[in-house]
Amino acid sequence: EAGVTQSPTHLIKTRGQQATLRCSPISGHTSVYWYQQALGLGLQFLLWYDEGEERNRGNFPPRFSGRQFPNYSSELNVNALELEDSALYLCASSLIFRGETGELFFGEGSRLTVL
Amino acid sequence: LAKTTQPISMDSYEGQEVNITCSHNNIATNDYITWYQQFPSQGPRFIIQGYKTKVTNEVASLFIPADRKSSTLSLPRVSLSDTAVYYCLVGRDLQTNAGKSTFGDGTTLTVKP
Repeated sequence: EAGVTQSPTHLIKTRGQQATLRCSPISGHTSVYWYQQALGLGLQFLLWYDEGEERNRGNFPPRFSGRQFPNYSSELNVNALELEDSALYLCASSLIFRGETGELFFGEGSRLTVL
Repeated sequence: LAKTTQPISMDSYEGQEVNITCSHNNIATNDYITWYQQFPSQGPRFIIQGYKTKVTNEVASLFIPADRKSSTLSLPRVSLSDTAVYYCLVGRDLQTNAGKSTFGDGTTLTVKP
């Protein structure tokens, strides 16, 4: 069974540009989470989508946005890129059973570099 | 979501048992304790989860005292490939606590030959 897949693996942008990152969850998983991990730091929660709806959002500015498609895949968009947006962006998916979330399954991440 | 405190780093040698302790003084009655492992430039992966006493799987053991204010991840006979960052999370489930689950900075375990 395929795991969580993310694309692109690496992305290089310049300040002010927009970046789009994509995530395909494990088949059957309806929840998708996005995290930002700056070099050498822990994971910071960005967004959570479930059944096509944004369920929660971390402490990030509005230029970080996303969406979840009917097939449960998801997109993370970062507008007006800043140098400090350079990080590993991780997507995770989970199965919700009886209202509770199972373990998170993470993808390999997308490395965004802003020059 | 209960705040967790872990050592920033630990060193060990191949073949030794490693114990990483996480403090979570404000753990709630319904909270579970979950540990994840992360290798460089990869996403974290689930190791073990527990509620009380002891849980063991093929990878690790998790010890939780009666007051549940701390927990200890035990890795038996570590190898070089166990060098990674280990995160302790506490919460009822990630769904209800999403948005507060920052994973923190974790414990960087370095296993030496």
